[in-house]
Amino acid sequence: EVQLLESGGGLVQPGGSLRLSCAASGFPFSSYAMSWFRQVAGKGLEWVSAISDTDSRYYTDSVRGRFTISRDSSKNTLYLQMDSLRAEDTAVYYCVKGEYSGVRGWFDPWGQGTLVTVSS
Amino acid sequence: EIVLTQSPVTLSLSPGERAILSCRASQSVSGFLAWYQQKPGQPPRLLIYDVFKRATGIPARFSGSGSGTDFTLTISSLEPEDFAVYYCQQRYNWPLTFGGGTKVEIK
Repeated sequence: EVQLLESGGGLVQPGGSLRLSCAASGFPFSSYAMSWFRQVAGKGLEWVSAISDTDSRYYTDSVRGRFTISRDSSKNTLYLQMDSLRAEDTAVYYCVKGEYSGVRGWFDPWGQGTLVTVSS
Repeated sequence: EIVLTQSPVTLSLSPGERAILSCRASQSVSGFLAWYQQKPGQPPRLLIYDVFKRATGIPARFSGSGSGTDFTLTISSLEPEDFAVYYCQQRYNWPLTFGGGTKVEIK
């Protein structure tokens, strides 16, 4: 069974940094694309970033240059380094498994999410 | 960016009734459209992908149809566990985008 466990969320001041982690198990992590999505409380879903099995990386415009997605296949872990955080980055962040190795597939299942709050 | 518009925003129905949810894209997404279900306090779950293909374990009462810019999710007979929020999503172009969601609530 695929399991995705996010961690690293919390309260951070505007302009600060945070690193999210996602521990993956139940599938050959190195062979699959992975992605981060987010959801503001009570609002809709937004795609944030994706990474292929060969480390090709994609970002939504609002986070490009501030967020960095990475993966460590030796640890079966996905990361999201978030710098220069803004209030509008406040959301639950979900780690999601790709359909296959490339980023052009569907993403599912989703982890339970970790809450990031950017506030002074 | 491809904008997905879902309608209605809220659908009030009784168990056993048919639910028809709509998703319209600002430009063609070809066959690259999916539907997700989200219940309170839970992450989204993939229901339908590539317009009409049911994800693993999804009951046959869920079906998807459409092409180009207009898509439909049909729940043939609502079960109590189907009352939730439904989102459509496209992967035709970056960035991946979602519709605003349709809440199916108990009438």
